[in-house]
Amino acid sequence: AQRVTQPEKLLSVFKGAPVELKCNYSYSGSPELFWYVQYSRQRLQLLLRHISRESIKGFTADLNKGETSFHLKKPFAQEEDSAMYYCALVRAKGGGADGLTFGKGTHLIIQP
Amino acid sequence: DAGVIQSPRHEVTEMGQEVTLRCKPISGHDYLFWYRQTMMRGLELLIYFNNNVPIDDSGMPEDRFSAKMPNASFSTLKIQPSEPRDSAVYFCASSPDTTYEQYFGPGTRLTVT
Repeated sequence: AQRVTQPEKLLSVFKGAPVELKCNYSYSGSPELFWYVQYSRQRLQLLLRHISRESIKGFTADLNKGETSFHLKKPFAQEEDSAMYYCALVRAKGGGADGLTFGKGTHLIIQP
Repeated sequence: DAGVIQSPRHEVTEMGQEVTLRCKPISGHDYLFWYRQTMMRGLELLIYFNNNVPIDDSGMPEDRFSAKMPNASFSTLKIQPSEPRDSAVYFCASSPDTTYEQYFGPGTRLTVT
């Protein structure tokens, strides 16, 4: 069975400092990895996915299959980045959606 | 588009009562997912449907839980009888066939006393 681990429940950094939210996964097949974010009083929403290899709101994440990691990074944190961040995995079935396996989330707080 | 719609937003009920949670997916999405979020276990997949057909219900905790999708625009998650340990936030999400991206509803916060 697949599993996603986010070791930090809470991460607090100062505005302008670099941010790295850690995510490790275990799955024997080919997964697709995602980062979802939930801002205060908003819905859970997709932040980015590994296959798109794009930067969203200054965040990037690289899939490292050797280390089975998908850490989320941003060079300069902003106060509006404060939110709950969830790393998630889906089994790539070669067509059609599948249920997400989520980590337990990291609460990111950006201090002014 | 209002996105995924869930009702009620909050539900408080007594142990032993039947609880029904409702979800309207985004029009045109072929997949519908039910998740449960608790402090202890985080976000867990309960069941998902493709074109109204249940595909994977391995996450449904026990027979007290049941889910239906009678048509493409409506799904229910029922708990009968409810127990205090069912207290959680229940999320519904939908997804088109062409992507793994899921769109989440606002959730229903269930409290069983």
